Amino acid sequence: EVHLLESGGGLVQPGGSLRLSCAASGFTFSNYAMSWVRQAPGKGLEWVSTFGQSGGTYYADSVKGRFTISRDNSKHIVYLQMNSLRAEDTAVYYCAKRDSKSFDCWGQGTLVIVS
Amino acid sequence: QTVVTQEPSFSVSPGGTVTLTCGLSSGSVSTSYYPSWYQQTPGQAPRTLIYNTNTRSSGVPDRFSASILGNKAALTITGAQAADESDYYCALYMGSGISVIGGGTKLTVL
Repeated sequence: EVHLLESGGGLVQPGGSLRLSCAASGFTFSNYAMSWVRQAPGKGLEWVSTFGQSGGTYYADSVKGRFTISRDNSKHIVYLQMNSLRAEDTAVYYCAKRDSKSFDCWGQGTLVIVS
Repeated sequence: QTVVTQEPSFSVSPGGTVTLTCGLSSGSVSTSYYPSWYQQTPGQAPRTLIYNTNTRSSGVPDRFSASILGNKAALTITGAQAADESDYYCALYMGSGISVIGGGTKLTVL
């Protein structure tokens, strides 16, 4: 069974940094692209970033230049380094496994508050 | 800026059928966008219902089906149940690693 567990969320001041982690299990991690999707309080889902299976990295315009996605295939972890955080980055951040150009499985999320 | 459009809200009677749609602010949705659908209840993580236009994710009942209707992707729920009351999101793959998620539809079953 696929399991995704996010960690690293918390309270951070504007302009600060935070690194989120997503530990994956239950599938061959290196064979799949991984994404981060966020949800601001009371709002909808927003795709943030994807680390492609072939190594490409992709970002929403709202985070480009501030966030960096990376992965460690040996540890089955995908990371999201978030710098220059703004109040509008406040959200629950979900890790998602990608398959067939969609979000296949989801973690339970980690809350980031920028205040 | 590409915007994925969804009805903000919809209601359906128990046992009824409802079709939610997913469009583009400019242009038509086709299978080339690999439309996918997600269900989310308050306080919970999203759950994948449909991927690659019309393929049900594992464990999703066949009451949920999806297709392309005209110039939009569509999610149809047949025989709606109280448990289907949720927020429904569609996502489109825009190419070059970019995905865009719609604003969601709040479905009420009453």
